[in-house]
Parts: sequence; structure tokens; C-alpha cells
Amino acid sequence: DTAVSQTPKYLVTQMGNDKSIKCEQNLGHDTMYWYKQDSKKFLKIMFSYNNKELIINETVPNRFSPKSPDKAHLNLHINSLELGDSAVYFCASSRSGGARQETQYFGPGTRLLVL
Amino acid sequence: AQSVTQLDSQVPVFEEAPVELRCNYSSSVSVYLFWYVQYPNQGLQLLLKYLSGSTLVKGINGFEAEFNKSQTSFHLRKPSVHISDTAEYFCAVNQGGSEKLVFGKGTKLTVNP
Repeated sequence: DTAVSQTPKYLVTQMGNDKSIKCEQNLGHDTMYWYKQDSKKFLKIMFSYNNKELIINETVPNRFSPKSPDKAHLNLHINSLELGDSAVYFCASSRSGGARQETQYFGPGTRLLVL
Repeated sequence: AQSVTQLDSQVPVFEEAPVELRCNYSSSVSVYLFWYVQYPNQGLQLLLKYLSGSTLVKGINGFEAEFNKSQTSFHLRKPSVHISDTAEYFCAVNQGGSEKLVFGKGTKLTVNP
């Protein structure tokens, strides 16, 4: 059973399009995250939700909007895609208590290429 | 603000050699420290973490790390590496009271036959 799953795995799209990436975890965790990994492998947090409530919102363009329909799902919607949005996006989850000491479990990543 | 420095971006070693991947952090308060590994085209998985107690932490796949508060370091070591250890290794720190995990820029370990 996949613990944290993301769809799609690959996403190639044109500049200006709107796209969504879906994330689901079956670990019963309360906290979920979105990270962006750039071409140099640098990993930076974008958002974090705890029980469907936004708790971390880093300096991310407002073209990015996370949505958590329930605590097992955290989707990422991106409007008006730009070339610089090309990256690998990772979803992760952890038990209640947030990032402080809990292990985060990562999905396999979504490779987004904006042309 | 907390930050994490991984001093080596790439570390090539031969199979069965020992390896040390270096990590330093900056924080004036207590921290939690993590090492994650990312195999090619996969997500990250936890190798080990330091929360409190013994400064020597043992993780999966024969890796261990030592927390050194005076030197603000958390170096990762393995006495004998395998080809399968080839991966990107990330050190991460969480400052007590913060919800955020801050990652270093990663060290690419390449194990050659």
C-alpha cells in the first residue's frame, strides 16, 4: 500500500495554463505539506495543513493555492503557470504536532515542466 | 532564523570505504535534527533523527550521526558503503517551537565499484 501518493507523476504543460496536483495519504496523519524541489535539488516548504487548517504559508506567489478537502488529501492548484514553476513538487505528511519532531513521509513527487 | 549548511555538494567514494557527510546548523535554541535520503527519482525517506538524549543516533541501512552542540554539527557516517547507497542526502533542522523543517542543499553521494 502506498503511504503518500501523488498524481500525476509527470506533468508537461504550456505557460499560462492552470493545473492541479493531487496528494493523498493513508497513514492517518493530521498534517500534510507541499514542498518544491528546484533543478539544483534544493527543497523548500511551500504550505502545511493541520486537520484541514493552513499553518504554514511561505512566500509563495498567490498563483499557488492549496486545498484540503479532508485531512487525508492536500491538493495544489497552480494558476497561470510560468517557466520558473518547473520543478519537482513533493507532498508529505506527519502525525499531529507538525514538523517539530515527527518524521515526515514523502510522496514520490510530481515532475512539472512548463514549456 | 535557522539555517542548515551541508558543506559538500558531492562526495564520491569507493565501495566498502567509510564516508562522512557533513552538516552544520545555526540556531540559538534547542533543535531537532534529521537526515533524509532521496534515491534517484523517488521521494525522501528518513534515515535517522536526533530529538534528545544520546548524541549518537543510529539509523537505517547502517548509517549513524552524532549531534555536537558545541560545534552545531550533525554529521552522518557509515563505516562501509555499498553501491546502493548512491543517493542524495539531506540534513534538516527544526527549531523548537517552529512548525517548519528547514533543509540543507543536499549532498550527492556516489559510490563507485
